Amino acid sequence: GAVVSQHPSWVICKSGTSVKIECRSLDFQATTMFWYRQFPKQSLMLMATSNEGSKATYEQGVEKDKFLINHASLTLSTLTVTSAHPEDSSFYICSVPQLSGTGVSYNEQFFGPGTRLTVL
Amino acid sequence: AQSVTQLGSHVSVSEGALVLLRCNYSSSVPPYLFWYVQYPNQGLQLLLKYTSAATLVKGINGFEAEFKKSETSFHLTKPSAHMSDAAEYFCAVSERAGTALIFGKGTTLSVSS
Repeated sequence: GAVVSQHPSWVICKSGTSVKIECRSLDFQATTMFWYRQFPKQSLMLMATSNEGSKATYEQGVEKDKFLINHASLTLSTLTVTSAHPEDSSFYICSVPQLSGTGVSYNEQFFGPGTRLTVL
Repeated sequence: AQSVTQLGSHVSVSEGALVLLRCNYSSSVPPYLFWYVQYPNQGLQLLLKYTSAATLVKGINGFEAEFKKSETSFHLTKPSAHMSDAAEYFCAVSERAGTALIFGKGTTLSVSS
């Protein structure tokens, strides 16, 4: 099946620094990717939609200047947490939708393994 | 607006007992529904999905779910729980193929021997 990778799998940084997280679709191209955030013991919340060739769209309450998203190619989206603070510590997960293959409609969402961010 | 409600944040069963995890959805159009499992410090694994082909959906690891439009429900069941089923389970919905998923708050399943 399709595989989505994320890098790094975990990162620890100091408060005030920036951290970049990569999400790669290994098996197919994607014009859209989604970024979710999951705080401990909570559910996944959609942060933003990454769009290849255009600006990302952010959910209400998500600061676009703090969480920079760049859909660099049809297989890569990056999320940069700028000036990270301890409250940004979370599990960040990306997903890639696969709508169709050759003559087949999949409607499948493939999730990356997640990136654990800890801000000290 | 679409939403998902998972009744019961924590469900405990004995090994070999029936597993029932509840999910109710709210959607203005026929939805796409999903169940995912998450083990500690890991990503999500798809258990099964409903995309209108059949109301009873069979998934991996012996799980299945039935779509009931009249009850707006998509409950997850497994006839006999195994210790390895202990994990966090999420129900999710989307209204259109390829759009982001809206997740329920999750249900923690504990299995005792």
